[in-house]
Amino acid sequence: RKEVEQDPGPFNVPEGATVAFNCTYSNSASQSFFWYRQDCRKEPKLLMSVYSSGNEDGRFTAQLNRASQYISLLIRDSKLSDSATYLCVVTDSWGKLQFGAGTQVVVTP
Amino acid sequence: GAVVSQHPSRVICKSGTSVKIECRSLDFQATTMFWYRQFPKQSLMLMATSNEGSKATYEQGVEKDKFLINHASLTLSTLTVTSAHPEDSSFYICSARVGMNTEAFFGQGTRLTVV
Repeated sequence: RKEVEQDPGPFNVPEGATVAFNCTYSNSASQSFFWYRQDCRKEPKLLMSVYSSGNEDGRFTAQLNRASQYISLLIRDSKLSDSATYLCVVTDSWGKLQFGAGTQVVVTP
Repeated sequence: GAVVSQHPSRVICKSGTSVKIECRSLDFQATTMFWYRQFPKQSLMLMATSNEGSKATYEQGVEKDKFLINHASLTLSTLTVTSAHPEDSSFYICSARVGMNTEAFFGQGTRLTVV
């Protein structure tokens, strides 16, 4: 079983709509959680950290559910520029980064 | 966010030659740097973790004699692909972070093509 699992998608989202997807992790001792976005043929860029109480950054909301071992990302009012692959990243108790394979989001006009 | 600079962004080399890729943290001291490889439409694959002043820790299946990593300072790590072959052609990305559970910042990546 992979350490971090994501639905690969693609999630096809009309512009202006809301999309949400999850990421599950297997190690209950995981310490920190992040969402990154990666555009085609580019490096990943930090989108947001995920805090225990949940956090919001503009149109993006991240949640952490430790009991069920998943994190989620919700994008409201989707823009064409939100089309990307969203990577879930989890650090284990040794601080090692574990990457999900990514969820592809395609926002359509 | 913090800036990590990676060079070169693109390199084409002949089979059998060696290629060096540099990764620099420009505005922070990186205790740990990571090297990844990504094949088209696949996820990032961690190759090795390096801490300044110590030997890199390689992931299973990654040849340490082929992928030489040097992390001589808190702001610079290098990856040398020795005796490159066409199957080494890939997108190589470095990342750096300050502490154990902090976010990582990525370099721009190096697209290596071995002909």
